[in-house]
Parts: sequence; structure tokens; C-alpha cells
Amino acid sequence: GDSVTQMEGPVTLSEEAFLTINCTYTATGYPSLFWYVQYPGEGLQLLLKATKADDKGSNKGFEATYRKETTSFHLEKGSVQVSDSAVYFCALITSYDKVIFGPGTSLSVIP
Amino acid sequence: GAGVSQSPSNKVTEKGKDVELRCDPISGHTALYWYRQRLGQGLEFLIYFQGNSAPDKSGLPSDRFSAERTGESVSTLTIQRTQQEDSAVYLCASSLGGGARTDTQYFGPGTRLTVL
Repeated sequence: GDSVTQMEGPVTLSEEAFLTINCTYTATGYPSLFWYVQYPGEGLQLLLKATKADDKGSNKGFEATYRKETTSFHLEKGSVQVSDSAVYFCALITSYDKVIFGPGTSLSVIP
Repeated sequence: GAGVSQSPSNKVTEKGKDVELRCDPISGHTALYWYRQRLGQGLEFLIYFQGNSAPDKSGLPSDRFSAERTGESVSTLTIQRTQQEDSAVYLCASSLGGGARTDTQYFGPGTRLTVL
């Protein structure tokens, strides 16, 4: 069935380090792919999205490219800040509108 | 403008009781989603409304769960005969309704349900 797999956390990085959070998926058809973020004490919010193969979503210095050949949507940022500490969720929406979230990856950035 | 609101913010109930959770979407948003998030876990999709209809109810965990939406606005999620495994944060989201695959979902703060 349709599913999303994320790298397990927690991830701890020093400020200005490079970040990669892996996300792979299984889905029939052509899903849309999303990264959502949940900052401490706040609600979930969309970080970026890509709706077709080879699209790159970007926001706040984060990027992710929709790779159909590897069924991946890895999240990257070149230089993380303390304020990026949060839980990151990879998600997909299938071509028949079913929504599937990954389990989330907790990121802590230390000064 | 106002975001998605949910009530109550916290609900403690005894096993076997029924509970009703409410979601008020952003005005003008025709699509509405319900999710469940158990402690330390990801979001589990429950149901999606486009307008007042729910094309896919397969995410509802059991027949104790039901949801309805009237007037393309407020939605209620009802859990009958609650069990301890129903304890979780129940999140609601809304979107413009142009299509789930392209819409941005805006999430409410959630209702934390504790079943004793």
C-alpha cells in the first residue's frame, strides 16, 4: 500500500551544519509530496511542496526535489540555525486524495 | 484573518463515554481534514471532506468513529464508547479546496483527548 518512510530521529546538529532528512515513499500513480514542520508549542505548518516529478520545493532555505526514479523527497538545508529546531514531517497525497504522513523527524540545533 | 480553530482544546473522559470534537475551518475553505496523532507518532489520516461530502472514509479506525460537516463550515468528529487507545491529539486542517494534491493545508491547534 501507499506509505512514507522517514529517517529516524532525533537528529542533533551544530549551528551552520548541513542538514539532510531522508524521505522515501511508495505510492501508485502520481502523488504530490510535502514537508510540514511543527515548531515547539506551535501547530503544523507547510514548509514546502512539489506536485510533479523533478519539481523542487523551497522555503526558508530548505529545499526538496521530487525524484520519481528513486521515489524520494529528501529535505536539505545548507546551514541550519537554532530556530530550525522542530519536528519535520514528510507527507504525500495520492492521486485519489488519500493523505499519508511520515512519523516525523525531530531536529535539535545547538549553538 | 482567523485560522482553524478546534474545541475543546483538552478533553478528559472516562472509558465508554462518547465525545464530540469540533473544528471550525478558515472561512471560504471548502476542504477539511481530520487526523489523529498519538504520542510520539506521526499523523494518521482519518477523513477528508470536500464540501459536505466525504469521498473516502476508509481512514476512520473503527465504526465507533464518525464525522460530519454541514454548511461547508463546521465539522464534528464523534467517538462513541471511547477506549484508552483513542487517547491522542486530534488535528483538523482546512484548505481552499482546489484539489487535495495541490492545496496547502492549514492546521488547527488540536484537541488533546485523554481516555481514563
